[in-house]
Amino acid sequence: DQQVKQNSPSLSVQEGRISILNCDYTNSMFDYFLWYKKYPAEGPTFLISISSIKDKNEDGRFTVFLNKSAKHLSLHIVPSQPGDSAVYFCAASGEGSSNTGKLIFGQGTTLQVKP
Amino acid sequence: DTAVSQTPKYLVTQMGNDKSIKCEQNLGHDTMYWYKQDSKKFLKIMFSYNNKELIINETVPNRFSPKSPDKAHLNLHINSLELGDSAVYFCASSQGVNTYNEQFFGPGTRLTVL
Repeated sequence: DQQVKQNSPSLSVQEGRISILNCDYTNSMFDYFLWYKKYPAEGPTFLISISSIKDKNEDGRFTVFLNKSAKHLSLHIVPSQPGDSAVYFCAASGEGSSNTGKLIFGQGTTLQVKP
Repeated sequence: DTAVSQTPKYLVTQMGNDKSIKCEQNLGHDTMYWYKQDSKKFLKIMFSYNNKELIINETVPNRFSPKSPDKAHLNLHINSLELGDSAVYFCASSQGVNTYNEQFFGPGTRLTVL
């Protein structure tokens, strides 16, 4: 009963192209969504977030889109760079958990950007 | 000048043993967390402490006991280790318990139970 799922375990794109990472959730009470990035042998680091009152948030090359009706969010990286190669985790909070710090994470998608 | 540090980085032990993982943060945060990344790669919250007070206690076996001697430290003690405890354990911290506050993660401790 995983509430946050990333159904693509891996993604490979060419440098300069767009990377699109997807995430689906089941709990309609989630109201805040985050993406974390993880390099090997390191902990996850925060990348970008979006509140449920928005449908898009942009930060440089990274844009997160939220489709509440589909319970789907995506992370777009444009243009992709080899240094973006990492595992990307989607996370969500809500249902009264926003004041406890509880995040529900997906299982991650490994992005490989080829030079 | 590591922000969130964990020791040890790797831990290999036999079933039935008791072990501890230590976590320290030098960010001045008041909230700390323990996450477990299982074999299916999901990161799952186990515990969180705010100002040394337990805030989140997920459905974790009581063989797992967190200890927060001060705001900068959150240690995880595991009794009677089982094969299923093999995982990567991440410590994290944030300023405040709200999920809008960025969580900073340590590098993880890979626990292998033989």
